[in-house]
Amino acid sequence: AQTVTQSQPEMSVQEAETVTLSCTYDTSESDYYLFWYKQPPSRQMILVIRQEAYKQQNATENRFSVNFQKAAKSFSLKISDSQLGDAAMYFCAFCAGYALNFGKGTSLLVTP
Amino acid sequence: GAVVSQHPSWVICKSGTSVKIECRSLDFQATTMFWYRQFPKQSLMLMATSNEGSKATYEQGVEKDKFLINHASLTLSTLTVTSAHPEDSSFYICSARGIGLYTDTQYFGPGTRLTVL
Repeated sequence: AQTVTQSQPEMSVQEAETVTLSCTYDTSESDYYLFWYKQPPSRQMILVIRQEAYKQQNATENRFSVNFQKAAKSFSLKISDSQLGDAAMYFCAFCAGYALNFGKGTSLLVTP
Repeated sequence: GAVVSQHPSWVICKSGTSVKIECRSLDFQATTMFWYRQFPKQSLMLMATSNEGSKATYEQGVEKDKFLINHASLTLSTLTVTSAHPEDSSFYICSARGIGLYTDTQYFGPGTRLTVL
């Protein structure tokens, strides 16, 4: 069974600062994909970033980047220059077939 | 690209009635659609997976006679909650993945809030 663990239920960051959300996973698969999704108060799930496990290069999308450590089964999300609009629930997810396995989420608060 | 819509966004119904929720992929063909349920302040729980033209595959513990799923075309899947009861009140979210996109990536609809009185 694949499990995804987000050990930080809540995080807080000041506007313009940088924050890192942690995620670890457990799997025996060698080929898989990892994702970060954002769920703002509207509850619309928004894809933030996607990482292919066979790629060593860390994915980046503008202010969002990941630190993918395959051996350690770690997949953290770094948000640079945080903005008020980044406040949301962030879910880490793992996919080795058809289904997404989600972590429990990290609630990010952005303070002015 | 990769826009998924859901209708209705919010529905209130009486106990014992059936409710249908539609999920549409607007700018791509969805070979696979997924239905999730989310309780307040919790993560998403996969209910079922449907492929176009095939019967849905339900996750363990999900009653297939209670939650009827139809994936009749490459752009439409429906979830019908039959004989709804207050415990079925929840936030239901669909997602899709499909042709021309990353085949491993799911794109989500905006969700439907169901309240059963």
